Amino acid sequence: DSGVTQTPKHLITATGQRVTLRCSPRSGDLSVYWYQQSLDQGLQFLIHYYNGEERAKGNILERFSAQQFPDLHSELNLSSLELGDSALYFCASSVAEDNSPLHFGNGTRLTVT
Amino acid sequence: AQSVTQLGSHVSVSEGALVLLRCNYSSSVPPYLFWYVQYPNQGLQLLLKYTSAATLVKGINGFEAEFKKSETSFHLTKPSAHMSDAAEYFCAVSEGNQGGKLIFGQGTELSVKP
Repeated sequence: DSGVTQTPKHLITATGQRVTLRCSPRSGDLSVYWYQQSLDQGLQFLIHYYNGEERAKGNILERFSAQQFPDLHSELNLSSLELGDSALYFCASSVAEDNSPLHFGNGTRLTVT
Repeated sequence: AQSVTQLGSHVSVSEGALVLLRCNYSSSVPPYLFWYVQYPNQGLQLLLKYTSAATLVKGINGFEAEFKKSETSFHLTKPSAHMSDAAEYFCAVSEGNQGGKLIFGQGTELSVKP
């Protein structure tokens, strides 16, 4: 058990809809990272938050947004969903924002129909 | 830009045989390199990481990796495969000093035959 909790585990929704994925980091970790894993793109970094502030953006679509709250949990919002957004979304946390080891959650599997 | 190439999307070995998973990287700066393992329906777990302290890095579960700058490689090995090693393995490089912003390879699925 990594200590990182992601909810829900599975999500099935229709095109055009909006969903929110939630992540609770490991106790004491200030950094939260979001990754997308799909068959065609592999594992891709989306966005990084440290102690409530956005630190880096990767290949994140404009339809996607995220935030980290004062209690350090994070939410990834996906809107105007398309079939191609179907993927496994991982949250990972680490103590700092350097090369501290990442601890991954078990992911949220999103299926867009 | 940094990149990672994993040679072989699928590797199959017999139980007790040597495991060798290949990873080559591209980086314009001294890299931080990682190997992660993903078991079915689970998140990724760190096996080991290279941070320039030593070229031979020992990780968990008997795995180790050797950093070879001249070959831009960071291959993962284990002397004797166990059935429980069957999983997907990812090599990754960090971009700059933001360790969590990782660039992953496409992954290598390891099968272990009895």
